[in-house]
Amino acid sequence: NAGVMQNPRHLVRRRGQEARLRCSPMKGHSHVYWYRQLPEEGLKFMVYLQKENIIDESGMPKERFSAEFPKEGPSILRIQQVVRGDSAAYFCASSPAGETQAFFGQGTRLTVV
Amino acid sequence: SQQGEEDPQALSIQEGENATMNCSYKTSINNLQWYRQNSGRGLVHLILIRSNEREKHSGRLRVTLDTSKKSSSLLITASRAADTASYFCATDGGGANSKLTFGKGITLSVRP
Repeated sequence: NAGVMQNPRHLVRRRGQEARLRCSPMKGHSHVYWYRQLPEEGLKFMVYLQKENIIDESGMPKERFSAEFPKEGPSILRIQQVVRGDSAAYFCASSPAGETQAFFGQGTRLTVV
Repeated sequence: SQQGEEDPQALSIQEGENATMNCSYKTSINNLQWYRQNSGRGLVHLILIRSNEREKHSGRLRVTLDTSKKSSSLLITASRAADTASYFCATDGGGANSKLTFGKGITLSVRP
């Protein structure tokens, strides 16, 4: 059973481009969470999704950021028109329904130049 | 807002010594978890303690939870150089939304 898979591991984007981050949860996990980590900081919650539903997006910036978890395929975190302040590590976590313990991926390190 | 606040922010010890890290939180919780993060890597789950538990052990790890003081401690006994990492506590409020709220973390350095 592979762990939570995130790709790419590293992503470089120029200001104004779009960044698309992918997360494949562990097999059998229907809940996906996205977190952002700035340098020397803890993780900050962004969004919580279940298949085809956004459950909680209270941590998502109001503009440029969106997330989805389709019926088939990975969860996608999309950042449009990236700015330097979006540079961070983005982590995805998954859990089975009804469970609190979340399993984290290795993260995608986004650098905006 | 920050829920978990760990202290100290940084800890440096000699291999073989014990390391104690503390975490305080503000609101009521369902579970508290500790994670480890090696530099530039993802988070590894260490241990989960439920709000109705007071102490839990896992190998060289011992976690305590005091809900009256809204605090938890993580003890690593007989530390090793490989324990060098950042350690985070994370809480969840339970219910339908099990999102985690993390502290800023503690940087542990174990000198060989």
